[in-house]
Amino acid sequence: DIQMTQSPSSLSASVGDRVTITCRASQGITNYLAWFQQKPGRAPKCLIFAASSLKSEVPSKFSGSGSGTDFTLTINNLQPEDVATYYCQHYDTYPPTFGGGTKLEIK
Amino acid sequence: EVHLVESGGGLVQPGGCLRLSCAASGFTFSDYYMDWVRQAPGKRPEWVGRARDRANSHTTEYAASVKGRFTVSRDDSKNSLYLQMNSLKTEDTAVYYCARSSRDSSGHYNFDNWGQGTLVTVSS
Repeated sequence: DIQMTQSPSSLSASVGDRVTITCRASQGITNYLAWFQQKPGRAPKCLIFAASSLKSEVPSKFSGSGSGTDFTLTINNLQPEDVATYYCQHYDTYPPTFGGGTKLEIK
Repeated sequence: EVHLVESGGGLVQPGGCLRLSCAASGFTFSDYYMDWVRQAPGKRPEWVGRARDRANSHTTEYAASVKGRFTVSRDDSKNSLYLQMNSLKTEDTAVYYCARSSRDSSGHYNFDNWGQGTLVTVSS
């Protein structure tokens, strides 16, 4: 199975900051990578697919980049409603697997 | 608007069985791959299994951890997805989500919409 490793595991930033979360795959996955946002007690919500394509109705403050094994999620102008855990997930082969998550908090 | 509603969760003893359902609305159900994804408390999500669309004869795929114990099925006439879980283990305790998968331009499928989940607790 392809292992997905995220860093950092937790992150504290100020309102208005730009934050970056990284995700590394244990082998190349081209661009078959999605990013999810999960708020406490809620289902994960897809933000980005194909590494950099923004899902419809997701604010443009979220962006993704990368290919092969290294990927990033960037959140601009951090707001209190962005507090959540963020997961990356590959869908290159079976089984699709998720990263360990990055818990984002506001300072 | 895509709407997915899971049901059927509850408390079951180890070795027992349970059947989950997912009612779909807001899209042409038969045209989409559908998946089950679970999440144990405080853990990352884990993919469980998939039922492909009608064009692909509803064929299925499973995670190694559930293969032989769980069965994914669907009834397109009822816009419903099912997960039959047999020989349940304590490590199957999780919130189970139904997810729709969409095909991107490369022909790969990603989870683009999720239900709210149903909790399965396996305990004596």
